[in-house]
Amino acid sequence: AQTVTQSQPEMSVQEAETVTLSCTYDTSESDYYLFWYKQPPSRQMILVIRQEAYKQQNATENRFSVNFQKAAKSFSLKISDSQLGDAAMYFCAYRSLYNAGNMLTFGGGTRLMVKP
Amino acid sequence: DVKVTQSSRYLVKRTGEKVFLECVQDMDHENMFWYRQDPGLGLRLIYFSYDVKMKEKGDIPEGYSVSREKKERFSLILESASTNQTSMYLCASNSGSYNEQFFGPGTRLTVL
Repeated sequence: AQTVTQSQPEMSVQEAETVTLSCTYDTSESDYYLFWYKQPPSRQMILVIRQEAYKQQNATENRFSVNFQKAAKSFSLKISDSQLGDAAMYFCAYRSLYNAGNMLTFGGGTRLMVKP
Repeated sequence: DVKVTQSSRYLVKRTGEKVFLECVQDMDHENMFWYRQDPGLGLRLIYFSYDVKMKEKGDIPEGYSVSREKKERFSLILESASTNQTSMYLCASNSGSYNEQFFGPGTRLTVL
């Protein structure tokens, strides 16, 4: 079974600065997907960014980018030019290609606070 | 836009009550999921369904059951609620064509 670990329960960043959230995972599989989801306070969880394990290039979505280190089983999220609206819980998730139903395994989450 | 709705945002029940949490999605997704979210533990999968009347246990199915009679609706049932089932419950759905799961707003259940 896969496990996902987020070692930082809370992080804070000054508005306009850059912050990196850490995620490591454990798997014996070679092909899989990794995700970062954002859960704003009292709002629905939304997908931030997705990475396919077979792609060497790190995924980027506007101010959000990942540092995917397959050998180290590390998948960190970098948020550049942080904004107040980035304050949220962030969850790292793993999806195997070999199970039915597209199930996700989530990490424990990191609460990001953005200081004005 | 994909929309996943849940029947209640907040729910308070008493120990021993039977509790129904309902989830509806409007995008004809074949897969639907129920998660439980607790601080520090992230989201843990309770049950999922990949088709009408089909269900599979997730990581923590004990004390829960599910029902999927129609493709768009997936219900989570607590047969006899207990205080340790006080939690946030999230429903999600997706299609085999997409990897992304779309989430509902969640139901915060308190069992007294």
